[in-house]
Amino acid sequence: DTEVTQTPKHLVMGMTNKKSLKCEQHMGHRAMYWYKQKAKKPPELMFVYSYEKLSINESVPSRFSPECPNSSLLNLHLHALQPEDSALYLCATAVLAAHEQFFGPGTRLTVL
Amino acid sequence: AQSVAQPEDQVNVAEGNPLTVKCTYSVSGNPYLFWYVQYPNRGLQFLLKYITGDNLVKGSYGFEAEFNKSQTSFHLKKPSALVSDSALYFCAVREGYGGATNKLIFGTGTLLAVQP
Repeated sequence: DTEVTQTPKHLVMGMTNKKSLKCEQHMGHRAMYWYKQKAKKPPELMFVYSYEKLSINESVPSRFSPECPNSSLLNLHLHALQPEDSALYLCATAVLAAHEQFFGPGTRLTVL
Repeated sequence: AQSVAQPEDQVNVAEGNPLTVKCTYSVSGNPYLFWYVQYPNRGLQFLLKYITGDNLVKGSYGFEAEFNKSQTSFHLKKPSALVSDSALYFCAVREGYGGATNKLIFGTGTLLAVQP
């Protein structure tokens, strides 16, 4: 399996809702990333996990809470989001010793 | 800090003509450079990378890139453009010292439009 999968594809939520985004891979990659991307802009790094431990947090607001329960799964828990958080959320994975990252198709999030 | 610049927001080319998407970099130390492509409503797809070695790097879908140290450039090229190449292209540089500290720093992106 050479894919990174993300669910759901689309998510609409209100500002008081709690929801989660899921990312899954079975390539044995031990580095996993969350990015936020606005339309026609480059991805912005949010979090990096290495061996299931959080190694980088790019000063992301606490309303975004990442979790890496095992080496195949990466979650992003969302709570009390703002309309400006509407974006495409991308998951990526990489072999730690290598360089390139492999991206999932993303979750299109709309916050009302 | 490492950075890349993509000077063109959009590149227009006729199908069958050669295409070039420009990228310049600013790094301390050896550059690790990448090209990614993003089709509408999709994630990013890895095209190619330069780590070391030959200055001409070949990648997926017939794309190649030329690393030029004196001009600090890493331009993406294809000899004959296809309409299906129309997409958003990102140049990126690796920041970090390996392992868990690796981060990709992306350029602003170039929209490639190939006209039939």
